[in-house]
Amino acid sequence: GAVVSQHPSWVICKSGTSVKIECRSLDFQATTMFWYRQFPKQSLMLMATSNEGSKATYEQGVEKDKFLINHASLTLSTLTVTSAHPEDSSFYICSARRLAHLYNEQFFGPGTRLTVL
Amino acid sequence: QQQVKQSPQSLIVQKGGISIINCAYENTAFDYFPWYQQFPGKGPALLIAIRPDVSEKKEGRFTISFNKSAKQFSLHIMDSQPGDSATYFCAAGGVYGGSQGNLIFGKGTKLSVKP
Repeated sequence: GAVVSQHPSWVICKSGTSVKIECRSLDFQATTMFWYRQFPKQSLMLMATSNEGSKATYEQGVEKDKFLINHASLTLSTLTVTSAHPEDSSFYICSARRLAHLYNEQFFGPGTRLTVL
Repeated sequence: QQQVKQSPQSLIVQKGGISIINCAYENTAFDYFPWYQQFPGKGPALLIAIRPDVSEKKEGRFTISFNKSAKQFSLHIMDSQPGDSATYFCAAGGVYGGSQGNLIFGKGTKLSVKP
């Protein structure tokens, strides 16, 4: 159990376009979903935290108008990179925390590789 | 107070040997310490986690040792195998989420197990 999927697994887009990444918890309901960004050979950088039905909480330095997060249901969160530029190229990973679960266990998706040309 | 310092940055171990990765945290409010394993191009996978009420937790070949007074915890991989070659991240946060709920990750350790 505790499987998280992401779609797409990779995407290449032109500069100036918008890209939507989906994160789904497949076999559990997630109270909270997290979006991370990871540069090559580096650690996970938390971008934002989203709770179902609420506005996302963004980390300092993350542009909320550029990285739009929607958490419409207990099993789906989306990250939209608006007007993408080459510097937005990165590995984006989501994680989900189980509803009513005692511990702060986060289960990660497989990640989405975004390349902006 | 929000940093988690992880060492070493990289580690090479012979097959059958013991791999040891160390982490130190600063925030005494943290009470949940998971370790994640990540293979190239994949998302991190929860490996094992510990709370401060115990000093050690073992799951198969993986053991977490926890020293509350020193604010340090470590991952030991016994009988290391080539399939264990991956990047390992330690993390720290609040066990029940909330204001302390976000996990703070270490910078990662790239483990290579030589056959």
